[in-house]
Amino acid sequence: NAGVMQNPRHLVRRRGQEARLRCSPMKGHSHVYWYRQLPEEGLKFMVYLQKENIIDESGMPKERFSAEFPKEGPSILRIQQVVRGDSAAYFCASSLGTGQPQHFGDGTRLSIL
Amino acid sequence: GIQVEQSPPDLILQEGANSTLRCNFSDSVNNLQWFHQNPWGQLINLFYIPSGTKQNGRLSATTVATERYSLLYISSSQTTDSGVYFCAVGRDTGTASKLTFGTGTRLQVTL
Repeated sequence: NAGVMQNPRHLVRRRGQEARLRCSPMKGHSHVYWYRQLPEEGLKFMVYLQKENIIDESGMPKERFSAEFPKEGPSILRIQQVVRGDSAAYFCASSLGTGQPQHFGDGTRLSIL
Repeated sequence: GIQVEQSPPDLILQEGANSTLRCNFSDSVNNLQWFHQNPWGQLINLFYIPSGTKQNGRLSATTVATERYSLLYISSSQTTDSGVYFCAVGRDTGTASKLTFGTGTRLQVTL
């Protein structure tokens, strides 16, 4: 499968735990984006990364959320001390570069008990 | 930021009918994509169409960038077309490449 790979597909956490979401971009893509979709809403931009750099994090909550895209390995979206309001679908997208179409993974559905 | 409005918000069609979905945006863009979110939540890329017209089978799309709107046409609709259709726009500058999504058109195709 040459598409954007996200795992896990579903993740359940209790309040106060940490959630780690992983995203492997399409082969050859060096630009990664994370979006969040709350129930019955459209997707909202969170963060845009290139290898080892955060380019735009204007959509990231200021606390508890962080993202990285290391030189080797997948991009990680990390949510610390999760709360019920973090329940959502988190989508990752990748592109060849700016001005290029973004390709989306199947998302990770995060549920907080 | 850029505002994106989609219409209609909801649409019910009988199988075989045609439809037109509209996306208006508030500023000039150089990235516009249409997506179909199926009932399982997957986002399917339909078109990358910052300007012009494209066709793919029963679907086609037209973007008139100077007038800040895009249209998605679905012909001979099938039950598998059901789901939510999103328009997303962006203005890529090298340091800003995010897509802004509309609120979607929810389509239900019935037998």
